[in-house]
Amino acid sequence: AQKVTQAQTEISVVEKEDVTLDCVYETRDTTYYLFWYKQPPSGELVFLIRRNSFDEQNEISGRYSWNFQKSTSSFNFTITASQVVDSAVYFCALSGSGNYGQNFVFGPGTRLSVLP
Amino acid sequence: NAGVTQTPKFQVLKTGQSMTLQCAQDMNHEYMSWYRQDPGMGLRLIHYSVGAGITDQGEVPNGYNVSRSTTEDFPLRLLSAAPSQTSVYFCASSYLPSRDNEQFFGPGTRLTVL
Repeated sequence: AQKVTQAQTEISVVEKEDVTLDCVYETRDTTYYLFWYKQPPSGELVFLIRRNSFDEQNEISGRYSWNFQKSTSSFNFTITASQVVDSAVYFCALSGSGNYGQNFVFGPGTRLSVLP
Repeated sequence: NAGVTQTPKFQVLKTGQSMTLQCAQDMNHEYMSWYRQDPGMGLRLIHYSVGAGITDQGEVPNGYNVSRSTTEDFPLRLLSAAPSQTSVYFCASSYLPSRDNEQFFGPGTRLTVL
């Protein structure tokens, strides 16, 4: 069975602090995809990043960076110099291989509050 | 392209009422699905479809029906609403097989059952 764990339910930081959101996953598939989505107070799901299981390179996009480690089954997300606009719920998700790999398994989400 | 659209955006029902949540996409995607989002549980898969006339159950299908008569539309029916179905519902679609499992999510429908 597939499972995604986000152990941090809520995190509060002060603006300009760095913050890391943890994601640990379980899967038996050898090919799989990991995702991060942002859900701002407006409620829509905003796609942030997708990573396949064969690409362990870390990625940086502006203030966002992602650390993928297959050895620990983790796909952590770091926001550098956080801003109030980063306040949202962040979801980590996993999808497997095959035609029905589109069936996502989501973690419970981490609510990030960035205080001015 | 409008992408994935959902109607209504908000809905309040009384226990026992029925209703249909609408989902449509204009990208000619074969795959469509419904998720529900509850606090502390993330999004969970209700039903999915891999093409017109083909549907299957996800993780939490009880209390919901779906059908797929066209490629574009994938309505979710609540036959007798219960307070436990108070949730935010998201529809999603993708090509099948999709490149990199990319999915497109609708804006969501917030449902309250009193």
